[in-house]
Amino acid sequence: TQLLEQSPQFLSIQEGENLTVYCNSSSVFSSLQWYRQEPGEGPVLLVTVVTGGEVKKLKRLTFQFGDARKDSSLHITAAQPGDTGLYLCAGSNDYKLSFGAGTTVTVRA
Amino acid sequence: DSGVTQTPKHLITATGQRVTLRCSPRSGDLSVYWYQQSLDQGLQFLIQYYNGEERAKGNILERFSAQQFPDLHSELNLSSLELGDSALYFCASSVGTQGRLGETQYFGPGTRLLVL
Repeated sequence: TQLLEQSPQFLSIQEGENLTVYCNSSSVFSSLQWYRQEPGEGPVLLVTVVTGGEVKKLKRLTFQFGDARKDSSLHITAAQPGDTGLYLCAGSNDYKLSFGAGTTVTVRA
Repeated sequence: DSGVTQTPKHLITATGQRVTLRCSPRSGDLSVYWYQQSLDQGLQFLIQYYNGEERAKGNILERFSAQQFPDLHSELNLSSLELGDSALYFCASSVGTQGRLGETQYFGPGTRLLVL
């Protein structure tokens, strides 16, 4: 059983569309991170959110940490083929990172 | 390129065998983390070493062990291998420990292990 549940599991959209990926848990986390992983490579950190209610923007990507620090979302505006990859959320507690199962995003040109 | 190196890139072995995976962290990083990624379990934290000492333990089987050497490189030893141990094994490094706010972990390219 995953500590962090991500939805949807798969997402396929056309270039230029928007998408949102969700990460939910019954546990409270000190911080939450989002990673992107491309085939044959390790995950790469996109952002860390720490404060409940925090919103961070990274170009076309917007990350939100829930008020209760149990959930998070990642929104991509005007998706591009280069956004294709596996998006992983990870919660930090007790000196450990717990990862969600990931959302596979495919952006079609 | 994250600066974390892992060898070998691919490993094919038989059930019952023992293998060693190697990881060199980024220059200056004191922590090394090991993760297992499989299709059914996702990315699972195995173990963390900080400056040579075990710092945190996750879902690591008793058949698996790790260590971090004085030069800070780390090795993950997998023994009595089973078919279900086939997975991608990632090493990550960070400057300090995970801590409360979450350290940035830099992941290596992984070792793909296939147990036949």
